[in-house]
Amino acid sequence: GAVVSQHPSWVICKSGTSVKIECRSLDFQATTMFWYRQFPKQSLMLMATSNEGSKATYEQGVEKDKFLINHASLTLSTLTVTSAHPEDSSFYICSASSASGKHEQFFGPGTRLTVL
Amino acid sequence: GEDVEQSLFLSVREGDSSVINCTYTDSSSTYLYWYKQEPGAGLQLLTYIFSNMDMKQDQRLTVLLNKKDKHLSLRIADTQTGDSAIYFCAESTLGGGADGLTFGKGTHLIIQP
Repeated sequence: GAVVSQHPSWVICKSGTSVKIECRSLDFQATTMFWYRQFPKQSLMLMATSNEGSKATYEQGVEKDKFLINHASLTLSTLTVTSAHPEDSSFYICSASSASGKHEQFFGPGTRLTVL
Repeated sequence: GEDVEQSLFLSVREGDSSVINCTYTDSSSTYLYWYKQEPGAGLQLLTYIFSNMDMKQDQRLTVLLNKKDKHLSLRIADTQTGDSAIYFCAESTLGGGADGLTFGKGTHLIIQP
């Protein structure tokens, strides 16, 4: 149980285009979802926290107009990278927690974004 | 801001014990975690410890917490080739389900035959 999927696994896009990444909790209701970003050989950096039906809370330095997060249902959150540029190339990882799982986040396998 | 530090690499012989160390700076850290990341897979929670505990043991894994020194360690007994992975230390104030985690850069555990 407690499986989180992400789609796509990897994506290559042209500079200036927008890319949407989906994060789904497959077998539980995710009241809270988190989006992280991981650069090569670096730690995961929290980008934003979203609760179902509410606006996402962004970490300092993360542009909310560039990284649009939607958490419209208890099993789906999306991250849209708008007007992507090469510096947005990274590994994006989502995680999800439920109201009953107070101490644990379940992580997706990540999405590799490459912007040309 | 919060900071979590780990050494980047650890090399051990198969069958030996591995000890991965981590230090953190946030005195309000309440929950401390160890995650395992294998290539192509999502982070897997190995274990976690509350800040009011000194030690937690789970089969081959032993976590030691020195809250005074803000030092956390993960000991893996009888290290096997399947333990080869990147191990991340992470901390949270509210609990991992409620707020985002602050991660270290990860320690790459290399197993020598």
